[in-house]
Amino acid sequence: EAGVTQSPTHLIKTRGQQATLRCSPISGHTSVYWYQQALGLGLQFLLWYDEGEERNRGNFPPRFSGRQFPNYSSELNVNALELEDSALYLCASSPTSGGSYEQYFGPGTRLTVT
Amino acid sequence: AQSVAQPEDQVNVAEGNPLTVKCTYSVSGNPYLFWYVQYPNRGLQFLLKYITGDNLVKGSYGFEAEFNKSQTSFHLKKPSALVSDSALYFCAVRDMWDSNYQLIWGAGTKLIIKP
Repeated sequence: EAGVTQSPTHLIKTRGQQATLRCSPISGHTSVYWYQQALGLGLQFLLWYDEGEERNRGNFPPRFSGRQFPNYSSELNVNALELEDSALYLCASSPTSGGSYEQYFGPGTRLTVT
Repeated sequence: AQSVAQPEDQVNVAEGNPLTVKCTYSVSGNPYLFWYVQYPNRGLQFLLKYITGDNLVKGSYGFEAEFNKSQTSFHLKKPSALVSDSALYFCAVRDMWDSNYQLIWGAGTKLIIKP
């Protein structure tokens, strides 16, 4: 069974540009989560999508947005990039929105803003 | 408010010795508790979880964790550490009554196993 996949692996952007990150969940999983992990730090929750709808978002500005497609894949868009947006962006999926399910993580996209 | 604390930024253990990585939590209702491991430049891997039942939970790679309700703790343990266990470990908690299914993460503990 294929795991969670993310693309691209690395992304280099200039301040003020837009970045688009993509995630494909494990087959059969309907929930997708996005996290930001700044270098050497913990996980900061960004967004949660389930069945195509945004269910919850973390304490991030509106320039962080995303969507979930009918096949449950997801993309994260970051507009007006700032230097502090440089981080590892992790996507995770779970079978459903049930609380007892663990999340399965992809390898991440390393975003560097110069 | 829900929270998770991993009181040690770093834990150093000699290879072959037992290891413990500490985690305490605070939730309004009953907790779902999780441990994950992250190797350098990788995503997180699920190790184990406590949902209900036996307080001692066994997981991947020989790890186990003990749920202690009175001390609101969920410490990760392994009887004999390997150098390959060196990684960043995260504890996470979810309140089973939280309709947002929000998973609260600890700050992480760096585990270093010395040969």
